[in-house]
Amino acid sequence: SYELTQPPSVSVSPGQTASITCSGDKLGDKYACWYQQKPGQSPVVVIYQDSKRPSGIPERFSGSNSGNTATLTISGTQAMDEADYYCQAWDSSTYVFGTGTKVTVL
Amino acid sequence: EVQLVESGGSVVQPGGSLRLSCAASGFIFGNYWMHWVRQAPGKGLVWVARINSDESNTIYADSVKGRFTISRDNAKNTLYLQMNSLRAEDTAVYYCARAEVSWYGYWGQGTLVTVSS
Repeated sequence: SYELTQPPSVSVSPGQTASITCSGDKLGDKYACWYQQKPGQSPVVVIYQDSKRPSGIPERFSGSNSGNTATLTISGTQAMDEADYYCQAWDSSTYVFGTGTKVTVL
Repeated sequence: EVQLVESGGSVVQPGGSLRLSCAASGFIFGNYWMHWVRQAPGKGLVWVARINSDESNTIYADSVKGRFTISRDNAKNTLYLQMNSLRAEDTAVYYCARAEVSWYGYWGQGTLVTVSS
């Protein structure tokens, strides 16, 4: 079965850049998206179709996907960005989530 | 306003059955593929099942195949998940989610299923 691997945790100082990777076999051939989940809340999409940002999501969130790795970048990280982040791969029959990354803003 | 409201979660014994519902409003339900996603306590998100718009095609995660059935009633704007032969490892919050082209644009608030004797 298809697997997506993320680092368990990423720490970042306020105002700095956080990068979260998501690795999977030929992931670049699929669409990747990213969800933010805060404690006790449902997930919210922050990036879809590799690099598109939904309305209402701040410009500091960006994404890319190539080869075997998709990357979510948070520029100028704010305290409110502290959350769990999950990547997900989509194709006609693949709906796999990544293992999740806890982003801590120190 | 798009709303997805799950219900039906409860405590059930191993081997038991449960049916979850997801009531949709604020959009044309019959136009969208729908999914169930679950999250065990303190764990990550896991995709469970998907159904297309007219219920002609369904697909399941290997962990639930043969035990769970996803269905929908477009006249009632409701998505269902029939869960049979439940196991302790099925304990989780179950979310319904509306599929956009290749992402989930809307999620419900989730309903908790606990499988325990």
